[in-house]
Amino acid sequence: AQKVTQAQTEISVVEKEDVTLDCVYETRDTTYYLFWYKQPPSGELVFLIRRNSFDEQNEISGRYSWNFQKSTSSFNFTITASQVVDSAVYFCALSEAKDGGSQGNLIFGKGTKLSVKP
Amino acid sequence: EADIYQTPRYLVIGTGKKITLECSQTMGHDKMYWYQQDPGMELHLIHYSYGVNSTEKGDLSSESTVSRIRTEHFPLTLESARPSHTSQYLCASEGQGYGFEQYFGPGTRLTVT
Repeated sequence: AQKVTQAQTEISVVEKEDVTLDCVYETRDTTYYLFWYKQPPSGELVFLIRRNSFDEQNEISGRYSWNFQKSTSSFNFTITASQVVDSAVYFCALSEAKDGGSQGNLIFGKGTKLSVKP
Repeated sequence: EADIYQTPRYLVIGTGKKITLECSQTMGHDKMYWYQQDPGMELHLIHYSYGVNSTEKGDLSSESTVSRIRTEHFPLTLESARPSHTSQYLCASEGQGYGFEQYFGPGTRLTVT
């Protein structure tokens, strides 16, 4: 069965600190997709990144970076030099490929609430 | 930027009332979803649709119903609202193919008194 675990319920940091949000997933499929979403206080989920299971390259986008390791079934998200505007709930999600290769429904982790204090 | 809309954004309603939460998207996406979000943040899939006249129940049992008569429109209806329905409801849509992201609407925060 698919499962996504975000063990950190809440994290609080001071501005300019680096912070890593952990995500561990379980799946029996060899083809799957991993996602990170950000939910600011306004409530809308904002897509951040998608990786497929065949691409283990880490990715950097500005202050954001993602570390995908199939060996440990982890897809961790690091914010460098955090800012107050990074305060939000962050969700990791998993989708397995269905027959024919299309994407199955998303399975979300329970989310990590990040508070960045000035 | 995603074009997916939800109305109303906030709704306070009394027990027993019938309500419909609207969701529409202008991207021509076939796949659409409804999620219910706890105050504790967890997201639960309650309904989804892979196209016109296709609707399925999600992982979390819900007393709501949905319809998909037009590609762009995916309304959710509660025939008789109860306080246990108080929650945030999020609508999303997704393009066809391999590993597309879901685009989310701004959500409807429902309070049933």
